[in-house]
Amino acid sequence: GAVVSQHPSWVICKSGTSVKIECRSLDFQATTMFWYRQFPKQSLMLMATSNEGSKATYEQGVEKDKFLINHASLTLSTLTVTSAHPEDSSFYICSAPRQGWDGYTFGSGTRLTVV
Amino acid sequence: SQQGEEDPQALSIQEGENATMNCSYKTSINNLQWYRQNSGRGLVHLILIRSNEREKHSGRLRVTLDTSKKSSSLLITASRAADTASYFCVDAQGGSEKLVFGKGMKLTVNP
Repeated sequence: GAVVSQHPSWVICKSGTSVKIECRSLDFQATTMFWYRQFPKQSLMLMATSNEGSKATYEQGVEKDKFLINHASLTLSTLTVTSAHPEDSSFYICSAPRQGWDGYTFGSGTRLTVV
Repeated sequence: SQQGEEDPQALSIQEGENATMNCSYKTSINNLQWYRQNSGRGLVHLILIRSNEREKHSGRLRVTLDTSKKSSSLLITASRAADTASYFCVDAQGGSEKLVFGKGMKLTVNP
């Protein structure tokens, strides 16, 4: 139980275009979703926290207008990378607290390559 | 959550051997969690140990917690090539808090 489905698993886009990444909680309600970015051979860096029905909280240094987060329902949170540039190429991962307080469930990640 | 620090940062062993990874943290905790990340994949929750527990087992995994030393260890017994991954420890206060990850530890199990 407590599965988070993340799509797409990989995407290649041209510079200047926008890309949307979706994370769906399949068998539980995710009132909170965390979005991370991971560069090659580095650790996960928290970008923002989304809460259903309210504005996302962004970490210092993360551009709100560039990384749009929407958490419109208890089962869906989305991250849109707007006007993507090659430096946005990274691995993006979402995560939600598991029910019963047994840790966090992570999506499988999205490999974004901007060319 | 504070950033846990894993030690060693890289470990290479032969299949069948045991692997021990250590983690230190800085603040008081409600629980400490261990995660595994295979290359290019998301993280998988391995085990959570609460501050009032000293040891916990799950299959080939054994986790210990020493709150007096603010440290934890993850032991993988009879390692397999499939255990090759990065391992992260994260301490948590409880609630829907954000998790802060350290650099992790890269384990390579050679067949």
